[in-house]
Amino acid sequence: GAGVSQSPRYKVAKRGQDVALRCDPISGHVSLFWYQQALGQGPEFLTYFQNEAQLDKSGLPSDRFFAERPEGSVSTLKIQRTQQEDSAVYLCASSWNRGGNSPLHFGNGTRLTVT
Amino acid sequence: GESVGLHLPTLSVQEGDNSIINCAYSNSASDYFIWYKQESGKGPQFIIDIRSNMDKRQGQRVTVLLNKTVKHLSLQIAATQPGDSAVYFCAELNTGNQFYFGTGTSLTVIP
Repeated sequence: GAGVSQSPRYKVAKRGQDVALRCDPISGHVSLFWYQQALGQGPEFLTYFQNEAQLDKSGLPSDRFFAERPEGSVSTLKIQRTQQEDSAVYLCASSWNRGGNSPLHFGNGTRLTVT
Repeated sequence: GESVGLHLPTLSVQEGDNSIINCAYSNSASDYFIWYKQESGKGPQFIIDIRSNMDKRQGQRVTVLLNKTVKHLSLQIAATQPGDSAVYFCAELNTGNQFYFGTGTSLTVIP
């Protein structure tokens, strides 16, 4: 596609439910990033992939958060046993270069609301 | 620690005026910076970037200035238009290949 695509656009989950958020990066982009954006705040780094390898997951807030990119293309961010504090917009970004030394291209995010 | 912050959380300008959005960073080792524009309900959109070996870079109606001495970054928008209304973030690339984003400045253009 022309840009980074994320689905679903909106997700409402009851506390304790598991959710899976999908990201389709720009074709050919090597690097993929997940960010979390709370209301009124800037995006905060969660995790980074270079192809299928997860090179940095230092930003994941707890072991309930898990991300994968098994074939080096589509990525899924999974949150287990969701809590209210998980409510946020989850942004995916990709870049053609290895690492972060080139602009990140963001999707429009998935807005997760945990009730 | 590392931090990227903005001096003004909100900015209102008249249509046609120039806008200046400021950003401070604390990591003197950072060598790559990006300005993003985020409209409501959308992801951040790339505006312009600059590397530490430069102190100025110009795009279409936008200019980014980098002052490494005081660790300050600014975005200048010429002839601001209503479509420029958005939240603007500066992002700093840290040594771990992660971008740190500031809180953002909300720009409102008054017609």
